[in-house]
Amino acid sequence: DIQMTQSPSSLSASLGDRVTITCRASQSVTNYLHWFQQKPGKAPKLLIYAASSLQSGVPSRFSGSGSGTDFTLSISSLQPEDFATYYCHQSYTTPHTFGQGTKLEIK
Amino acid sequence: QVQLVESGGGVVQPGRSLRLSCAASGFTFSNYGMHWVRQAPGKGLEWVAAIWYDGNMEYYGDSVKGRFTISRNNSRNTLYLQMNSLRAEDTAVYYCAKSKGKYALDAFDIWGQGTMVTVSS
Repeated sequence: DIQMTQSPSSLSASLGDRVTITCRASQSVTNYLHWFQQKPGKAPKLLIYAASSLQSGVPSRFSGSGSGTDFTLSISSLQPEDFATYYCHQSYTTPHTFGQGTKLEIK
Repeated sequence: QVQLVESGGGVVQPGRSLRLSCAASGFTFSNYGMHWVRQAPGKGLEWVAAIWYDGNMEYYGDSVKGRFTISRNNSRNTLYLQMNSLRAEDTAVYYCAKSKGKYALDAFDIWGQGTMVTVSS
């Protein structure tokens, strides 16, 4: 199975900050890497697919980059609604696997 | 409105069975692969199973292989998860999710609201 490792596991930031979350795969997933946002008690929401494509309806302050084994999710200017948990997800092969999550909290 | 609605969750004793359903609306269900993903209380996401748009291929996570079966009825726009020999560690919120493509290799762009399954004596 492909292991997905996110860092950091938690992050404190202020409104307007730029933040970056990284995701590393134990082997290449080419660009089959996606990012989700999840708020408490809610289903995950797709933000970025295929490493760098912005899902329809997602604000442009979210961006993704990377290929192979190393990926990043960036949020350019934090808004109140961005405080949530973020997961990376590889669909290169089954079993699909997720990172352990990064909890983004208000400083 | 594109929507997935899960049902069938509840409390069940270890060793018993349960079948989850996921009703799809607002898109052509038969054109897309579908998945089940679960989340144990306070934990991260775990992929459970996937099925091709036409039902011809199924994939399972190691922890459920041989116990769970994913299926779909394209005429009823419904996805299913038959769960047998349930264990305490299967306790989780179960989400159905739509693939962006026909097969099992794409991101999940639509998720249901989830249904809770509790395995306890």
